Amino acid sequence: QQQVKQSPQSLIVQKGGISIINCAYENTAFDYFPWYQQFPGKGPALLIAIRPDVSEKKEGRFTISFNKSAKQFSLHIMDSQPGDSATYFCAASGAGNNRKLIWGLGTSLAVNP
Amino acid sequence: EPEVTQTPSHQVTQMGQEVILRCVPISNHLYFYWYRQILGQKVEFLVSFYNNEISEKSEIFDDQFSVERPDGSNFTLKIRSTKLEDSAMYFCASSRDRVGYEQYFGPGTRLTVT
Repeated sequence: QQQVKQSPQSLIVQKGGISIINCAYENTAFDYFPWYQQFPGKGPALLIAIRPDVSEKKEGRFTISFNKSAKQFSLHIMDSQPGDSATYFCAASGAGNNRKLIWGLGTSLAVNP
Repeated sequence: EPEVTQTPSHQVTQMGQEVILRCVPISNHLYFYWYRQILGQKVEFLVSFYNNEISEKSEIFDDQFSVERPDGSNFTLKIRSTKLEDSAMYFCASSRDRVGYEQYFGPGTRLTVT
């Protein structure tokens, strides 16, 4: 119930293409769903986040789509660039006062020039 | 832009030794966290800390681990007797409040236990 399942494990996209990463959860008490971007040797950086009262959130080239009934959410990166090559993690939190993040396994994205 | 800082960036220690990992959270943040990431694996929650006490800890956070906020700026993670399996990246994170939710991460400390 505490798991967040992320796919695919790795993704190769051509420059200018759309990168799509999917996550699914089971715990309906989750109410906050962030995406983090991590470059090698660095800490995770908050990219974009969504709460279940909206179905989509867009920030620049990054969009989260959220399907509450299916308990799924996804990250879309439009016009993918080589600089987007990184590992992307979805996470979820809720159900309590401490807001601990439950993480997906990560997706290694490579954008070819 | 305020950021979470961590020291040292890399710590090498021998099995059985004590280590202290240090973090300076963002100054107006009230919630503090430690996570770890074993090489190639997902990030795992260790402990959350609020109002000078532990809010929640994971199964990983056993008696060998402790956290402390010794002053108004530092937040430390101590591992009393390190094991080989403690080798990982340790990330500190902080959050402004429960309403804000957003957790901001430091660059991490790579702990290598030999």
